[in-house]
Amino acid sequence: AQTVTQSQPEMSVQEAETVTLSCTYDTSESDYYLFWYKQPPSRQMILVIRQEAYKQQNATENRFSVNFQKAAKSFSLKISDSQLGDAAMYFCAYRSARLQGAQKLVFGQGTRLTINP
Amino acid sequence: KAGVTQTPRYLIKTRGQQVTLSCSPISGHRSVSWYQQTPGQGLQFLFEYFSETQRNKGNFPGRFSGRQFSNSRSEMNVSTLELGDSALYLCASSLRQGTDTQYFGPGTRLTVL
Repeated sequence: AQTVTQSQPEMSVQEAETVTLSCTYDTSESDYYLFWYKQPPSRQMILVIRQEAYKQQNATENRFSVNFQKAAKSFSLKISDSQLGDAAMYFCAYRSARLQGAQKLVFGQGTRLTINP
Repeated sequence: KAGVTQTPRYLIKTRGQQVTLSCSPISGHRSVSWYQQTPGQGLQFLFEYFSETQRNKGNFPGRFSGRQFSNSRSEMNVSTLELGDSALYLCASSLRQGTDTQYFGPGTRLTVL
């Protein structure tokens, strides 16, 4: 079974600074998807960024980028120019690319990010 | 386009009762998945529906069940509620089975007294 581990329960960063959240995963599959979701106090789970395992190029969405190291099974999220609105719980998630059971997301335990003004 | 909607947003029940939660996916989305979020266990997959059929099920007891209607709306039911069922229940939709991105609703907060 696949597992996702986020080793940082809490992180804090000064506004406008850069922060990196860590995520490692374990799988025997070669094709899969990885995601970062954020969950602000409203509890709405919001997709931040996604990465297809077959793509070597790291995904980027505005101030958010990932460092995907497939061999190391590592998937970190970098947030540049941190803003107060980035404060949230961040979840790393894995999804198999197989059709059977493909919709199941496996989540890490989350990292609570605090932005200091 | 409207996002995923879940009703009700908050619910208080007592042990032994049953509860039904509803999820309306994004228009055009045909796959719906349900997740339970608790402080102790984190986010856990409950089940997935596509074309009115349950395609995948997580490791939950039979008290947890669900269904999907022809318009892709989904309901989940929990019978004989236990204190440990108190959680945030999240619904997520995606365009088709096997597509890579799930979009989440705001959740239903269930409290069991």
